Amino acid sequence: QKEVEQDPGPLSVPEGAIVSLNCTYSNSAFQYFMWYRQYSRKGPELLMYTYSSGNKEDGRFTAQVDKSSKYISLFIRDSQPSDSATYLCAMTLNMDSNYQLIWGAGTKLIIKP
Amino acid sequence: EAQVTQNPRYLITVTGKKLTVTCSQNMNHEYMSWYRQDPGLGLRQIYYSMNVEVTDKGDVPEGYKVSRKEKRNFPLILESPSPNQTSLYFCASSLSIVTGSSGANVLTFGAGSRLTVL
Repeated sequence: QKEVEQDPGPLSVPEGAIVSLNCTYSNSAFQYFMWYRQYSRKGPELLMYTYSSGNKEDGRFTAQVDKSSKYISLFIRDSQPSDSATYLCAMTLNMDSNYQLIWGAGTKLIIKP
Repeated sequence: EAQVTQNPRYLITVTGKKLTVTCSQNMNHEYMSWYRQDPGLGLRQIYYSMNVEVTDKGDVPEGYKVSRKEKRNFPLILESPSPNQTSLYFCASSLSIVTGSSGANVLTFGAGSRLTVL
C-alpha cells in the first residue's frame, strides 16, 4: 500500500462546476499538507499548504485536512479552463525537511468550456 | 527572475551512452533535489543535497550520480543509461530551513527534462 493514495483521473468537469480533489494517507504523523499544481510541460508549483487539521481558503481554492480520517481535499469553486492541470498532493512530518516530502501520484483535471 | 533552469529539456539517447542533465538555480537556495515523474507513480526523489558537498540518496538512486560543487548547480549524471530510466526529470530547490511558522518551505521546480533511452 502506498503511503499516499491519489486518484489519477482524468477528472473532467464543465466550466463553473465545483471540483473536489482528494488524497488519503496512512501515516498519522504527517503534519504539513500541500497541494501543487502542474501545468502541461511545466514543473509543479505550490498552490496551497495547511498545517495539521482544518480548512484554509485562498480565493476560489479551499484546502481541507481531516486527520482523524487521514484524508485531505482541495476544492475549486467556479472552475475555469485555466484550472486544467495535474494536481499533486504532498505531505511531510515537518517543514524543515523537504527531503521527507511524500507525494501523491497526481490527479489530472480537465475543465471543459 | 527567480528560477530553476534545467538542460536539456528533451533528450533521446541510447543505452550505455553517458549523459548529464544540468540544473542551476539563482535563488541562493541551500537545498536542491532531483525527482523523476512516471505515470501512476508520481514524483519519486532520486538524490538531494542540503548544501555544497553534501548529497544523499532519495528513494530511487540506483543508476544515477550527482555532485554539488557549487551552491547554484546540481547536475544529474547517468553513467550508463538504460531504458527503465526513460522518464520526466525535475530539479527543485528551496531554502534549507524555515524560520518561524509563517510559511511553507516552498520547493521551486524546473520545467522538466524528458529523457528517452532506446
